[in-house]
Amino acid sequence: SAVISQKPSRDICQRGTSLTIQCQVDSQVTMMFWYRQQPGQSLTLIATANQGSEATYESGFVIDKFPISRPNLTFSTLTVSNMSPEDSSIYLCSADGGASGIYEQYFGPGTRLTVT
Amino acid sequence: SQQGEEDPQALSIQEGENATMNCSYKTSINNLQWYRQNSGRGLVHLILIRSNEREKHSGRLRVTLDTSKKSSSLLITASRAADTASYFCATDGGNYGQNFVFGPGTRLSVLP
Repeated sequence: SAVISQKPSRDICQRGTSLTIQCQVDSQVTMMFWYRQQPGQSLTLIATANQGSEATYESGFVIDKFPISRPNLTFSTLTVSNMSPEDSSIYLCSADGGASGIYEQYFGPGTRLTVT
Repeated sequence: SQQGEEDPQALSIQEGENATMNCSYKTSINNLQWYRQNSGRGLVHLILIRSNEREKHSGRLRVTLDTSKKSSSLLITASRAADTASYFCATDGGNYGQNFVFGPGTRLSVLP
């Protein structure tokens, strides 16, 4: 299994600013994913990040608002741009099983974002 | 939409009792996975069941899959207070490596 860490674990930001969340995996993985989880809700996929190509965004999410980087097989960042209170959520990154197979997803601990 | 849907949305039981959660989905799948999420934390992968499997066990967990009914169940036996968490099912889209779609989750409370 892959061990995933995220930074920061939480942050309180002012509206109009941007926050970049980092996701580090302890092994090389093919696919990484970014999810948003609003309070009391399930997870919604924002985008899929593959190394060497642009991220693929789900309906309702755009690159200008959520730019993503994937510079190598163990790291990715998600930026939440021009934040508003509606962006207050937990943001989670996940990765596929890497060498153990692509069928299981492993999750980071999440970043709890509050926008005031 | 292939979104999984769990029921019940919330479940409260006494320690030692069994807890059963159900998940339904809409399209064909290659596998279905169950996750646990403790309050405000990341998701922990519990168990994966492939579309050609009908039942799988892991410790106190038992998962069943009925592809004809497009449904799965998660049974936690002899529950403990530490099992208190939200439980989500996630389905792939029938294509390996495709992103997973999560259901709304079941909030389980195990009372001591």
